[in-house]
Amino acid sequence: GAVVSQHPSWVICKSGTSVKIECRSLDFQATTMFWYRQFPKQSLMLMATSNEGSKATYEQGVEKDKFLINHASLTLSTLTVTSAHPEDSSFYICSARDSAGGAYYGYTFGSGTRLTVV
Amino acid sequence: AQTVTQSQPEMSVQEAETVTLSCTYDTSESDYYLFWYKQPPSRQMILVIRQEAYKQQNATENRFSVNFQKAAKSFSLKISDSQLGDAAMYFCAYRGANAGGTSYGKLTFGQGTILTVHP
Repeated sequence: GAVVSQHPSWVICKSGTSVKIECRSLDFQATTMFWYRQFPKQSLMLMATSNEGSKATYEQGVEKDKFLINHASLTLSTLTVTSAHPEDSSFYICSARDSAGGAYYGYTFGSGTRLTVV
Repeated sequence: AQTVTQSQPEMSVQEAETVTLSCTYDTSESDYYLFWYKQPPSRQMILVIRQEAYKQQNATENRFSVNFQKAAKSFSLKISDSQLGDAAMYFCAYRGANAGGTSYGKLTFGQGTILTVHP
């Protein structure tokens, strides 16, 4: 089945530095990638939607200058947390939709990245 | 905007027993899809079952089945013969099916239900 590889699985960074998270669709073309944030024992909150070759669409309240999303190819999307602060510590998950898949299908999720900012 | 509500923050079940997780949603759209996802301790999201709104027949996948009541906007998940591996957080999710609709392409998740399975 479809697989989305997300790296790194966990990262610790110092406050003020930037961190890049990558999501790759391994065996399908992901025209659309979704980025979520999840706090412990809580639901997934959609941060932004990215389409290959165009600018990402951010959800209300999400700082686009802090969470930079790039979707330069049909198999790779990246989320860069810029000038990270402790409050950015969270679990980040990507999800991709197969361009060949019908609308009926759900999405394939990456395994997530646990970000800790110290 | 569409909303998904899971009113049971936590549920527990004995191994081999049956448990039902509740989900209600609110939408003004006529065509949509509903999903149940499982998130085990590894935190990998796994699709459990899906339902097309225009289908009256309830979806089933082995031990997992749904009770889809479109008029009541209810979409519950029944897990039969519960196994220890079923322990996870379960999310109900909605996705619009009409291109151009506000929820087209986006998954809206409920708050989640933590399921504990006792041996």
